[in-house]
Order: sequence, then C-alpha cells, then structure tokens
Amino acid sequence: DGGITQSPKYLFRKEGQNVTLSCEQNLNHDAMYWYRQDPGQGLRLIYYSQIVNDFQKGDIAEGYSVSREKKESFPLTVTSAQKNPTAFYLCASSQSSFSAGEETQYFGPGTRLLVL
Amino acid sequence: KQEVTQIPAALSVPEGENLVLNCSFTDSAIYNLQWFRQDPGKGLTSLLLIQSSQREQTSGRLNASLDKSSGRSTLYIAASQPGDSATYLCAVRQVEYGNKLVFGAGTILRVKS
Repeated sequence: DGGITQSPKYLFRKEGQNVTLSCEQNLNHDAMYWYRQDPGQGLRLIYYSQIVNDFQKGDIAEGYSVSREKKESFPLTVTSAQKNPTAFYLCASSQSSFSAGEETQYFGPGTRLLVL
Repeated sequence: KQEVTQIPAALSVPEGENLVLNCSFTDSAIYNLQWFRQDPGKGLTSLLLIQSSQREQTSGRLNASLDKSSGRSTLYIAASQPGDSATYLCAVRQVEYGNKLVFGAGTILRVKS
C-alpha cells in the first residue's frame, strides 16, 4: 500500500529535551511538508522540502529543524528552543511543488506531542 | 498576507439535512482551493480540489463552488449522514509560494441520527 507513515503516534517530551518525529512516504513524491495544528486553528507550515537535500522554512520554523537526506524520509526535530511544543504534527507529501496544475498534498496520520 | 476564514466554526444538524459550509480568503491570487476532511486525531483526507479557472467540482453528495473574484468557496453536503461528522478544512494554494497551502481553522460538523 502506498502512503505516508508517521511515528510515533504519541510522543512525550521532557523539559530541555530534543525529540524527533518520523515521516516516511513510499509515493515517490518529490515534495514533503511539516505542519503544526493547534486546537481551533488551521494547519501552519513549519518546513517544506521540494527535493532531496533541500528544504525551506515555513511560517513557524523557530525551534524546529529538519533534514532531507533521502527522498522518502523527512524527519522533524523539535528542539528545546521551542517553548510551546504541545500540538498535533502532520506530515504531507506531493508529487512536486513546482507545478502550477492540479496538485494535492497527501497527509500522514499525525503525531501528538505532549510535554511532561 | 493570505487569511482564510471558515464559518461557522461548528455546526450540528439532524440526519438527512442538506448543509453548506463557507470559506473565504483575502488574496485572490491562488492556484486552487481544496476541501479536506479530518476525523478526530487523524490526518487529512482531500475531498475536492477546484482550480482557479473552475467554478465548481462535484463528488458524490459533495459539491464545492469557487468564486475567486469575491474570495469565497462553499462546500455543499446533500442528505447528510452521521458518518459525515468530522472537521472540514479549506485551504488555498498560493501563487506566490509554490505549493504552499494556507488553511482555515475548520468547521466541526456533527450529524445527529
């Protein structure tokens, strides 16, 4: 089955700790994205990657870091600099971020991050 | 800066009723608009995508319209069912930022049996 997987489903972070959220896709998509969702708010873009070994900051990148060493993987690290990390994190992918045509993003099931 | 607003924030209707969800956006320079469904604690599922040159799209009991000049879209759900209960999000794809999507906060729909 083709799709996007995220792990873990729930993640607990202690004060001052860095944690990494996993996102893997087997759709052969070039572009991948990380969003943060808070209660009662829409999704906000953290980082996105248009191609392997390249990524750009989104609207709320502070306190987060990413890497894109492989096409199928786009892990997100929530660093200790992110003072309010409790949220639902969603990963997405699309065929390409360059085309202007019909281009939908496919979403993973999400990871809920909680602070202890 | 693009802002996307969805009204109402929550809606509760009896089963079988037809309903309309609203989405408005401030910048009409968009490639397309999408409607997504999100079940509690889950990811998003794309329902309908309307290109900026199109007026509407239909899938089963769902019909989405787009009026780009006025910055509005509606999602019409016919003969609602309890299984339609979910959060519905609209998102616009900005011309300026490649495939960046800007999301509304969503409408929480509850269909009572």
